[in-house]
Amino acid sequence: DQQVKQNSPSLSVQEGRISILNCDYTNSMFDYFLWYKKYPAEGPTFLISISSIKDKNEDGRFTVFLNKSAKHLSLHIVPSQPGDSAVYFCAASPYFLTESGSNYKLTFGKGTLLTVNP
Amino acid sequence: NAGVTQTPKFQVLKTGQSMTLQCAQDMNHNSMYWYRQDPGMGLRLIYYSASEGTTDKGEVPNGYNVSRLNKREFSLRLESAAPSQTSVYFCASSTYRGSNTGELFFGEGSRLTVL
Repeated sequence: DQQVKQNSPSLSVQEGRISILNCDYTNSMFDYFLWYKKYPAEGPTFLISISSIKDKNEDGRFTVFLNKSAKHLSLHIVPSQPGDSAVYFCAASPYFLTESGSNYKLTFGKGTLLTVNP
Repeated sequence: NAGVTQTPKFQVLKTGQSMTLQCAQDMNHNSMYWYRQDPGMGLRLIYYSASEGTTDKGEVPNGYNVSRLNKREFSLRLESAAPSQTSVYFCASSTYRGSNTGELFFGEGSRLTVL
């Protein structure tokens, strides 16, 4: 059972336009959501995150929106640049308490390949 | 600044052979993770170690064992490799919630092929 779903395997946009990547989740215990970016032959790198107490978080060209009632989040990239071409993973974590403190236990979606054409 | 270092980067095994993937982080992080990435499957958690001295199963632990050797190092062992374990393996580390934005720091990956 896939708890984090990215239903679009790929997306192609023109340079300068908006890219919108979508993600849905099913687990109500998730309270923290993240987007990672991955280039070929490299490890994923953190892009932006949002807590369940917020509905929007912005960092430069990147904005993440969270709709808790719909269990849906989206990543907006404006304006899109050719260097943004990569696989984008949506990830989610419940509150995860250990003996030493709370931490993250991420469940990832399958990823969306974004291609930004010059 | 090395971050998360994985070795080896590439390995070819025959079915039934054993091997260990090594991972070390120099960021003084408490938690470490092993993920595998397969085409069309995203990243799936194999095992994690919330803190030194503890390990727990993730989503796909069968066929693997792990050792949290110390705070820096977390190894993944395949005792008897199978073709289904052909994958790219990523090690990651993180520190506690509240002290960072939630990011896991990933290594560059280890590409394993089992023939």
